[in-house]
Amino acid sequence: EDQVTQSPEALRLQEGESSSLNCSYTVSGLRGLFWYRQDPGKGPEFLFTLYSAGEEKEKERLKATLTKKESFLHITAPKPEDSATYLCAVQESGGSYIPTFGRGTSLIVHP
Amino acid sequence: DVKVTQSSRYLVKRTGEKVFLECVQDMDHENMFWYRQDPGLGLRLIYFSYDVKMKEKGDIPEGYSVSREKKERFSLILESASTNQTSMYLCASSLGANNEQFFGPGTRLTVL
Repeated sequence: EDQVTQSPEALRLQEGESSSLNCSYTVSGLRGLFWYRQDPGKGPEFLFTLYSAGEEKEKERLKATLTKKESFLHITAPKPEDSATYLCAVQESGGSYIPTFGRGTSLIVHP
Repeated sequence: DVKVTQSSRYLVKRTGEKVFLECVQDMDHENMFWYRQDPGLGLRLIYFSYDVKMKEKGDIPEGYSVSREKKERFSLILESASTNQTSMYLCASSLGANNEQFFGPGTRLTVL
């Protein structure tokens, strides 16, 4: 069973159609949760780190939130340039500091 | 800005060849990582290093080795390349244990 599950696997939106991506995790304690954006053929690019339930971070049209068992990446009024794969990674407290990555959500925003 | 560079963007090798993938970071980061990324499987950790000359196995180390002789450079070695090692290889670095990772642009390796 995967420790980090992202849903949906793929999402198609119209420009301006807001939505949310989900990252759920099953680690017993959370040290940190990271969101990355990956464009085709490139390496992932860091977006946010969240550490505790209730925390929120924002950047342009993106807002990341965290609860005890999941994180959401909210995309408000997306534009075609927001099209990318969004990856979530979780660090477990008390264990190795190496983050476990989810398989990602592929987002396509149509003009 | 942190910069992580990888020696090649695309590489084509033959089965049985020894392959070297080089990664260099310019921000004095302690930790460096090698991942491979395959469709449907996500990012899988091959090896990581938390200090010069130190290395630890990740989830899929078989068929690979690494070298970290200098802090800024982390090399991935495929001792005898096989077709199932065809993949996108990503290098990353991080300042400390709790910090975000910075990724290189990736090397797309094809083994024929």
